[in-house]
Amino acid sequence: DVKVTQSSRYLVKRTGEKVFLECVQDMDHENMFWYRQDPGLGLRLIYFSYDVKMKEKGDIPEGYSVSREKKERFSLILESASTNQTSMYLCASSSTGLGVLGNSPLHFGNGTRLTVT
Amino acid sequence: AQSVTQPDIHITVSEGASLELRCNYSYGATPYLFWYVQSPGQGLQLLLKYFSGDTLVQGIKGFEAEFKRSQSSFNLRKPSVHWSDAAEYFCAVGARSGGYQKVTFGTGTKLQVIP
Repeated sequence: DVKVTQSSRYLVKRTGEKVFLECVQDMDHENMFWYRQDPGLGLRLIYFSYDVKMKEKGDIPEGYSVSREKKERFSLILESASTNQTSMYLCASSSTGLGVLGNSPLHFGNGTRLTVT
Repeated sequence: AQSVTQPDIHITVSEGASLELRCNYSYGATPYLFWYVQSPGQGLQLLLKYFSGDTLVQGIKGFEAEFKRSQSSFNLRKPSVHWSDAAEYFCAVGARSGGYQKVTFGTGTKLQVIP
């Protein structure tokens, strides 16, 4: 079974702090994703990565950056946390799968609930 | 760009009753469609997926979904709901975007099951 592990279940940080959210997957997946989940808004894509050291902006990248130094690890960075970044953050991974993009299901971690005060 | 609409924010059904959760998508080409379920405090788990072929797809936990191209819909169904089905359900569409995989989610439908 694919396992996607997010290092923290709950985090509380102060405004202006630099925050690191870590995600590790154990299935050698090429693609990794960071979403934020807010009530009534569903999941919104922040950043994704399709290879080591590669990254692409999602729909809401402002205020975030990412790092992928190793294939299994994808980090989300809040350079200067703000209260509007209080949210549930979900990491996911997928394989490229038969060379056809778009049809691989995502495997999710259990999420990190971040509160910025 | 693709988009997904789940018109029902919240649905309540009695245990043993049938269930249908609605999903409409917008995408110019053949979509890859998914349904995920999220139990409280958990990540999302894949219920089923549609890529091509038979438009009625079976998933885990007794769920099925039907792809209707003419209606741009991919509704999720279950003939008899169990209390353990109470969760939030997300429809998603996967597509190529700039050469990469991009998955867009709907806003979710929260299912409440009453005894």
